Amino acid sequence: EPEVTQTPSHQVTQMGQEVILRCVPISNHLYFYWYRQILGQKVEFLVSFYNNEISEKSEIFDDQFSVERPDGSNFTLKIRSTKLEDSAMYFCASSAGSSPLHFGNGTRLTVT
Amino acid sequence: AQSVAQPEDQVNVAEGNPLTVKCTYSVSGNPYLFWYVQYPNRGLQFLLKYITGDNLVKGSYGFEAEFNKSQTSFHLKKPSALVSDSALYFCAVRGNPGNTPLVFGKGTRLSVIA
Repeated sequence: EPEVTQTPSHQVTQMGQEVILRCVPISNHLYFYWYRQILGQKVEFLVSFYNNEISEKSEIFDDQFSVERPDGSNFTLKIRSTKLEDSAMYFCASSAGSSPLHFGNGTRLTVT
Repeated sequence: AQSVAQPEDQVNVAEGNPLTVKCTYSVSGNPYLFWYVQYPNRGLQFLLKYITGDNLVKGSYGFEAEFNKSQTSFHLKKPSALVSDSALYFCAVRGNPGNTPLVFGKGTRLSVIA
């Protein structure tokens, strides 16, 4: 069964540094999402992306965040200047529309 | 705005007993309802969904959920729990159109005791 893959599995960075989290969605999916989860708690929506543009974003997704689909397969989340409170699990997901979201295994971001 | 409530942080059940994990939702229009399971250090794994049709939905690993429109609930059930069912369970909802983002509940930790 096709999977969403995320790299790296764990990223440690210093406060103020830029990080890029990478995702390869399922190949025939058209909708892409980033979610985050702090310490095994609630899963929070960050942003959705369709047709090469952001379709929705939450209040968490401020100017420090950006997303990009640089080629036909990758979908990236960039945090420009990381803060301690950005430490979380970041999940990428994709879907074919109203079908269920398929999630990757996540990237654990630790900001020190 | 849509929202999901999972009133229990933790559910404990003995192996072989039936289990229920509760979920209520709020959404304008018809709801699209989902259950996901998360095992330690893993992503969210789809269990089942309700879009339309029969109120009782069957999913993976013997799980099922019952959609109740009048009570705005979508409780997850399994007739006989296994120790391997121990995990974090998330209920989620999206409203119309069907490609809007999923909104998750805070999760319920299920612990099945041998």
